[in-house]
Amino acid sequence: EAGVTQFPSHSVIEKGQTVTLRCDPISGHDNLYWYRRVMGKEIKFLLHFVKESKQDESGMPNNRFLAERTGGTYSTLKVQPAELEDSGVYFCASSQHYFKAFFGQGTRLTVV
Amino acid sequence: AQSVTQPDIHITVSEGASLELRCNYSYGATPYLFWYVQSPGQGLQLLLKYFSGDTLVQGIKGFEAEFKRSQSSFNLRKPSVHWSDAAEYFCAVGANTGTASKLTFGTGTRLQVTL
Repeated sequence: EAGVTQFPSHSVIEKGQTVTLRCDPISGHDNLYWYRRVMGKEIKFLLHFVKESKQDESGMPNNRFLAERTGGTYSTLKVQPAELEDSGVYFCASSQHYFKAFFGQGTRLTVV
Repeated sequence: AQSVTQPDIHITVSEGASLELRCNYSYGATPYLFWYVQSPGQGLQLLLKYFSGDTLVQGIKGFEAEFKRSQSSFNLRKPSVHWSDAAEYFCAVGANTGTASKLTFGTGTRLQVTL
């Protein structure tokens, strides 16, 4: 069974540019989560999809971040325009049941 | 709101030595508690979880953790560390609001294993 796949694995962009991160969850998992870890700090929840609907987006930092989940399958997280403080590792996770989440390897975003 | 404290940022142990990683949580109800590990280049892997029942839980790779309500702790232990255990370890508490199951993580403890 394929795991959660994220790409790119690394992205370096300039301040003000746009970046789109993608997450492919495990097939059949209705729940999809995005988390972020800023360097040296804790991993923080960003948002939760159930199928294509946003269940909880309380962790989204500001309106420069836009998450979508097309047809309840893969998800994208767009940052536009990127700022220096957006640098970090973005994790995606998926689950079918509560608290049995499988995480991807993360996307390391560096904004310069 | 829930929170997790991992007081040790970095720990170094010798291969074969015992290990204990500390985790303290703050949560208003009975917590769901987790330990995850992230090895270099890998995603977060679940080591073990506590929902209810026996307060000593066994996980993968020979790890165990003990839930102590009186101390608000959920420390991770392993009796004999292997070099492959070098990684970053995250403690987390889960908030089940009925419609969401988001995790609150600690800042992580990086484990270095010397040969």
